[in-house]
Amino acid sequence: DAMVIQNPRYQVTQFGKPVTLSCSQTLNHNVMYWYQQKSSQAPKLLFHYYDKDFNNEADTPDNFQSRRPNTSFCFLDIRSPGLGDAAMYLCATSTIRGGGNEQFFGPGTRLTVL
Amino acid sequence: AQRVTQPEKLLSVFKGAPVELKCNYSYSGSPELFWYVQYSRQRLQLLLRHISRESIKGFTADLNKGETSFHLKKPFAQEEDSAMYYCALGGSGNTPLVFGKGTRLSVIA
Repeated sequence: DAMVIQNPRYQVTQFGKPVTLSCSQTLNHNVMYWYQQKSSQAPKLLFHYYDKDFNNEADTPDNFQSRRPNTSFCFLDIRSPGLGDAAMYLCATSTIRGGGNEQFFGPGTRLTVL
Repeated sequence: AQRVTQPEKLLSVFKGAPVELKCNYSYSGSPELFWYVQYSRQRLQLLLRHISRESIKGFTADLNKGETSFHLKKPFAQEEDSAMYYCALGGSGNTPLVFGKGTRLSVIA
């Protein structure tokens, strides 16, 4: 089945230790998104790629970076994780850009910062 | 600015009772509204979108521009409907999707 895959499902890191979360998709979608979701809160968009065009949300901290080496893969790098960065991180894809289009989500990676 | 409000964090109903999950939005342009659902231990997935005007798993939602609402309804709740429901608002062009905080629906047998 075509899908969005996130690895690992659970990630534990230490305060200040860089961490990378991975997302891959077999849907061949142009757009890939990264969301942060904290407990009892709405998913919050961090950034998205439209093909290789990177779009950062205005309030996304500089501590968060992303790479998309090809259509299938997208990475979220947290350079110096703080305790406040502990959250579920969701990757999603869509065929074209814009909120009017269905997004397909991965299962998420739960990040714990010690 | 786009904003989505889901006033209820938790909604508990008995099996067979009607369900209404409330969603209100704020957007100056022409909105695209969605309901996403997350069942236990599963990924977030699209339930329905207003432009489709369809019923999925017995759920319907009507966009009311006058009241800026997009409430999700089902006449008879089932236990398998228990899940987290998110209302989402998409705008025109490249405006990203904005999610509400979600409502947890619990259907009691």
